[in-house]
Amino acid sequence: DGGITQSPKYLFRKEGQNVTLSCEQNLNHDAMYWYRQDPGQGLRLIYYSQIVNDFQKGDIAEGYSVSREKKESFPLTVTSAQKNPTAFYLCASSPLLTGSNNSPLHFGNGTRLTVT
Amino acid sequence: SQKIEQNSEALNIQEGKTATLTCNYTNYSPAYLQWYRQDPGRGPVFLLLIRENEKEKRKERLKVTFDTTLKQSLFHITASQPADSATYLCALDLLLTGGGNKLTFGTGTQLKVEL
Repeated sequence: DGGITQSPKYLFRKEGQNVTLSCEQNLNHDAMYWYRQDPGQGLRLIYYSQIVNDFQKGDIAEGYSVSREKKESFPLTVTSAQKNPTAFYLCASSPLLTGSNNSPLHFGNGTRLTVT
Repeated sequence: SQKIEQNSEALNIQEGKTATLTCNYTNYSPAYLQWYRQDPGRGPVFLLLIRENEKEKRKERLKVTFDTTLKQSLFHITASQPADSATYLCALDLLLTGGGNKLTFGTGTQLKVEL
């Protein structure tokens, strides 16, 4: 089955530690995205990538970093510089960047990160 | 400032009735609008897309309308079932004047269909 796999489902870290969230897709999609979801707020875009070895900052990139070394993979690192890292993180992909051909997003099932 | 508003209060309806969810926006001129369903602890799933030049779109028991004058989209589920209980998100895709685009999500409305 094609889809997006995020792992782990739950992640716990101590404050001050960097942590990397995994996102893998086998849909052969060019574009990938990371969103953050907090209670009472809409999904907020952290980073996105249109193509391998290229990525762009979204609305709330501070304290996060990404890489896109392979088409299938788009890991997100939450650094110690992120002031409020506890959240539900969602990875998504689309055939092309949204808007290019009205591509809807395919989402993974998220990673819930808790930092104490 | 730009805003997308979905009713933050849960909508409770009886099985078999039509559920109507609202997505209002201000200071946007979206090229199109999408609706997603999200179940607890899971990622959103795409349901329907409607373009700015389309008034209505249907898919099985789902219907979406898009009124660019009122700046509003309505999402209808007819003959609702308990399995339709979920949070429904609207998302606007904006074509930016400098090129590119941006997909912006509302906060979602929780729907509960009761027996």
